[in-house]
Amino acid sequence: RKEVEQDPGPFNVPEGATVAFNCTYSNSASQSFFWYRQDCRKEPKLLMSVYSSGNEDGRFTAQLNRASQYISLLIRDSKLSDSATYLCVVNTNAGKSTFGDGTTLTVKP
Amino acid sequence: EAQVTQNPRYLITVTGKKLTVTCSQNMNHEYMSWYRQDPGLGLRQIYYSMNVEVTDKGDVPEGYKVSRKEKRNFPLILESPSPNQTSLYFCASSLWTGHGYTFGSGTRLTVV
Repeated sequence: RKEVEQDPGPFNVPEGATVAFNCTYSNSASQSFFWYRQDCRKEPKLLMSVYSSGNEDGRFTAQLNRASQYISLLIRDSKLSDSATYLCVVNTNAGKSTFGDGTTLTVKP
Repeated sequence: EAQVTQNPRYLITVTGKKLTVTCSQNMNHEYMSWYRQDPGLGLRQIYYSMNVEVTDKGDVPEGYKVSRKEKRNFPLILESPSPNQTSLYFCASSLWTGHGYTFGSGTRLTVV
């Protein structure tokens, strides 16, 4: 079983749709959590950090459930420019960093 | 401009010929890390460094070496490259592990 597992996707949604991605992790020593987006094998770019209290950045909302070891990302009012691969990342304080395999989103007109 | 700079961007080399991929950051970040990305396997951590002269193995360290003699640089060394090291490599840095990373633009390595 992988340490970080994401919905395999792909997700194909129309513009304006709401889409949710899920991620689970197995290492209970994990302390920091992030969502990145990656376009066409370019470098990943930080989308947002994820906190237990939940955090929102415009159309994006991230949530962390430490008890269930579960992370989510919600995208509202999807835009064509949201088409990308979304990566869930889990870090320990010791420096170990584990990426999920990513979920591909395609937003269609 | 705050950035992580990797060189070269593309490299084709032959089996057994030692090579170094450089990584430099100008943000005074403590933490740096190397990843490789392969189709179907996602990004996997090769080595990381919490500070100068401190390096640790990630999930796939075999066949790689690193050094952290100064804070800004974290080169990745392949002493004897093999075809199974053909991959897309990314260097990343952050203030510390609780912060998000800034990635370099990647190095596409082919070993023939």
